[in-house]
Amino acid sequence: GENVEQHPSTLSVQEGDSAVIKCTYSDSASNYFPWYKQELGKRPQLIIDIRSNVGEKKDQRIAVTLNKTAKHFSLHITETQPEDSAVYFCAATLRGSARQLTFGSGTQLTVLP
Amino acid sequence: DTAVSQTPKYLVTQMGNDKSIKCEQNLGHDTMYWYKQDSKKFLKIMFSYNNKELIINETVPNRFSPKSPDKAHLNLHINSLELGDSAVYFCASSQTGASGNEQFFGPGTRLTVL
Repeated sequence: GENVEQHPSTLSVQEGDSAVIKCTYSDSASNYFPWYKQELGKRPQLIIDIRSNVGEKKDQRIAVTLNKTAKHFSLHITETQPEDSAVYFCAATLRGSARQLTFGSGTQLTVLP
Repeated sequence: DTAVSQTPKYLVTQMGNDKSIKCEQNLGHDTMYWYKQDSKKFLKIMFSYNNKELIINETVPNRFSPKSPDKAHLNLHINSLELGDSAVYFCASSQTGASGNEQFFGPGTRLTVL
């Protein structure tokens, strides 16, 4: 089955700096890689996703990159703001299938004012 | 118009009791899930149902029994609650197919076993 590893487990950055969270996956058949943000006491919510037919996707201050050969993908947040503080989860699965999402272990991001 | 709803939001109970958590989605999705999130925040898949059929049952004690009366509902019944069952339980749903796989989560149920 799929195994997803996520690093770092905690990350503190100064407001305005960039943050990078990295994940690796094991199953080369996986082709869909979403990122979820979970604020304190709230539900996880999708913030961005990428499919294996593209290498990079951007949405305002967040971007995700994918290296299929190396089987790793990363989340980049630029110009961080205090409201970016949350736990971020990466995940991987085979898109369109009933296969479960396999989640990484999460990264607690703290943006210091 | 809540997409995925769960009840109750909070559940405090004694060890040994039996309790249920209900989940409903109005997105028309064909797959529903239960996750357990412990104090370390790890999201652990417990069950997955596709069109009312169980397709994933991770290593979960048989004290946990999911029930899916229809595609829009997936309830979780827990017998003989133990201290280690204390966690936040999230229900989620998704739609298989070319446009699918985004999982929508419910608000969570915080279970505290005393």
